[in-house]
Amino acid sequence: DQQVKQNSPSLSVQEGRISILNCDYTNSMFDYFLWYKKYPAEGPTFLISISSIKDKNEDGRFTVFLNKSAKHLSLHIVPSQPGDSAVYFCAASDSNYQLIWGAGTKLIIKP
Amino acid sequence: KAGVTQTPRYLIKTRGQQVTLSCSPISGHRSVSWYQQTPGQGLQFLFEYFSETQRNKGNFPGRFSGRQFSNSRSEMNVSTLELGDSALYLCASSPIPGAGGEQYFGPGTRLTVT
Repeated sequence: DQQVKQNSPSLSVQEGRISILNCDYTNSMFDYFLWYKKYPAEGPTFLISISSIKDKNEDGRFTVFLNKSAKHLSLHIVPSQPGDSAVYFCAASDSNYQLIWGAGTKLIIKP
Repeated sequence: KAGVTQTPRYLIKTRGQQVTLSCSPISGHRSVSWYQQTPGQGLQFLFEYFSETQRNKGNFPGRFSGRQFSNSRSEMNVSTLELGDSALYLCASSPIPGAGGEQYFGPGTRLTVT
C-alpha cells in the first residue's frame, strides 16, 4: 500500500505562473515532510521541509503547506521558472526516521 | 566538500548474475541509505546503515544485501539478478540517522538486467 501518494504524474505550467504540486498521505504518525527535486541523471536534492507542528513553511519562491486533518500537503512555486522543470518527490518521515516516498510529479515549465 | 559518489554509474548484467554497487558518502556523514527507483514507483527504501550496522531494512527479498565499512563507505549486493531488478539505485548520506530527514543523494547507478 502506498502511504505517500502523488496522484499527478505530470504537470505543465506557464513560466511566471504558480506551480502547485500535491501530495497525500495515509499514516497520521508521520511527523516530518519533505520535498525533493530531481533532474535527469542526478540524484534528488532536498528542497524544503515542514514539521507536523506547522502548517506552512516558506523559503524564497517555495512554500509548503500542510493540512493534517486532510492528510495533504502541497508545494507552491511562485513564480515558476524554466529551471524548475524537474521531477518533484514528496517524502514523509516516520518515527524511525525512515523516509517514505511518493512516486513523483514531473513538472514542465513552458516558456 | 565532495558530494556523494556512486560507482559504477551504469551497469549491464545478465539474469542470474550478481552485482555489487558502491557508495562513498559525504565526508563526516555516517549514515548511508540505499533506494531503488523504478518508473512510476518513486523511491523504494532498501536499507540504512549507521556506524557499520544495519539500522533499517525495507521490504526487499534477501537477495538484496548491504554493508558499511569503518570509513562509512557502503556497498550493496544483489544476487541472482532478475529482470525486475533493472532500476536506478540511489545512495544517500546524512550526518546521523534522521537528521531532519534531509539526505544527500548520489547520482545513482543505472542497472540493466538482460
